[in-house]
Amino acid sequence: QQQVKQSPQSLIVQKGGISIINCAYENTAFDYFPWYQQFPGKGPALLIAIRPDVSEKKEGRFTISFNKSAKQFSLHIMDSQPGDSATYFCAASTASNYQLIWGAGTKLIIKP
Amino acid sequence: NAGVTQTPKFRVLKTGQSMTLLCAQDMNHEYMYWYRQDPGMGLRLIHYSVGEGTTAKGEVPDGYNVSRLKKQNFLLGLESAAPSQTSVYFCASSGSSGRSREQFFGPGTRLTVL
Repeated sequence: QQQVKQSPQSLIVQKGGISIINCAYENTAFDYFPWYQQFPGKGPALLIAIRPDVSEKKEGRFTISFNKSAKQFSLHIMDSQPGDSATYFCAASTASNYQLIWGAGTKLIIKP
Repeated sequence: NAGVTQTPKFRVLKTGQSMTLLCAQDMNHEYMYWYRQDPGMGLRLIHYSVGEGTTAKGEVPDGYNVSRLKKQNFLLGLESAAPSQTSVYFCASSGSSGRSREQFFGPGTRLTVL
C-alpha cells in the first residue's frame, strides 16, 4: 500500500513532442505528490508538486495532472527539448510523515 | 549558500573496510535523509533524522549506522563494507513545517566495494 508505481521505465520522444510519465498509488493518506528531475551525475531536484485539492498544476512547459478517484497522477512535458533529457521520479508523502515514497524512475530521452 | 554538500564524491573500499560519509546542510533544515540509488530501483531510504540527536530507520537500514550530533550534519557509516553496498549515496534535507516538503539533495557519493 506504500508503493508508488511509475511507468514507463524509459521513454524516447522527438523534439517538440509531448512527454507523458504516469504514476499510481494505493495509500489514500498521501497528500503531497512531487516530481523530481535528475541529470546524470547530479542529485534529484524538485521540478513541480501538487496536492490533491487541485486536478492540475502547470509551471511553464511542465504540467501535473491528478486524478484522485483513480489514484493516479502524471507529468506532461510540452514542446519537449533535448535539455529535458533526464531521469524523472514521482513520489508521494503523507502529512504525518514527511518521508517520500518514490517511484522507480523514468529515463527520458528527447531526440533532436 | 552551498545547500547540501557531501564528502567524499568517490570512494573505493575493500570488503570488510569501514568508512563514514559526511553530509552537511546550511539551510537550517530539521529533517535529513540518506538514500541509496541503484539502477532500475529508484531511491531507497536508508536512515533519516527529524532533528539534532535523533535518527530512525528507513527502508534499507541493515549494514549502515547514522549519527546527527549537530543539526547541520548527518553522518552515514558503513562498519564492514560488502559488495552489495556498491551504490550511489545521496543525502537530502528538508524543512519541518509549512506547505513545502521539498527535499534538497546533495551531489552524491559514488561508492564501490570490491
